[in-house]
Amino acid sequence: GAVVSQHPSWVICKSGTSVKIECRSLDFQATTMFWYRQFPKQSLMLMATSNEGSKATYEQGVEKDKFLINHASLTLSTLTVTSAHPEDSSFYICSANRDGSNQPQHFGDGTRLSIL
Amino acid sequence: GENVEQHPSTLSVQEGDSAVIKCTYSDSASNYFPWYKQELGKRPQLIIDIRSNVGEKKDQRIAVTLNKTAKHFSLHITETQPEDSAVYFCAAANAGKSTFGDGTTLTVKP
Repeated sequence: GAVVSQHPSWVICKSGTSVKIECRSLDFQATTMFWYRQFPKQSLMLMATSNEGSKATYEQGVEKDKFLINHASLTLSTLTVTSAHPEDSSFYICSANRDGSNQPQHFGDGTRLSIL
Repeated sequence: GENVEQHPSTLSVQEGDSAVIKCTYSDSASNYFPWYKQELGKRPQLIIDIRSNVGEKKDQRIAVTLNKTAKHFSLHITETQPEDSAVYFCAAANAGKSTFGDGTTLTVKP
């Protein structure tokens, strides 16, 4: 079946550091990928929709300059948390499906980000 | 935008009993309704889904019903087992973009 790979799975770094998270679709091309953030015991909150070859679409309240998204190819989207602070500590997870339609989303394993 | 409400937030049942989780959505354009099971620290796993042109779908012990007019859908788990214990999320989607409910923590007591 379709597989989405997310890397790294776990990051601990100092406040002020920028962190890049990669999301790859391994056996299909994804024109659209989605980035979610999940705080402990809370739901998945959509941060942005990553579109191959164009700018990402951010949800209301998500800072574009803080969370940089690049979708340079049909199999790779990256999320960079710039100048991360402790309040950015969370579980970040990406998802994708083949053509952005309502097929089941395939989720990556998630990245647990801890900012000291 | 879409708003999804999910109830209850916690549910405890005895092994063998049934569990029902309900969700409502606000955007009539939503046409795909998946249900996910998430274990602690892991990715959500799709357990069943339903599209807006279908009223009910069943897969062994799991069933989902959809009332498009009332904009609500429900997950039914029968003959629950301890391994069903997890957090369950409903979602409403349109053009691939999903809005999730707040989740239900299901505990199945042996």
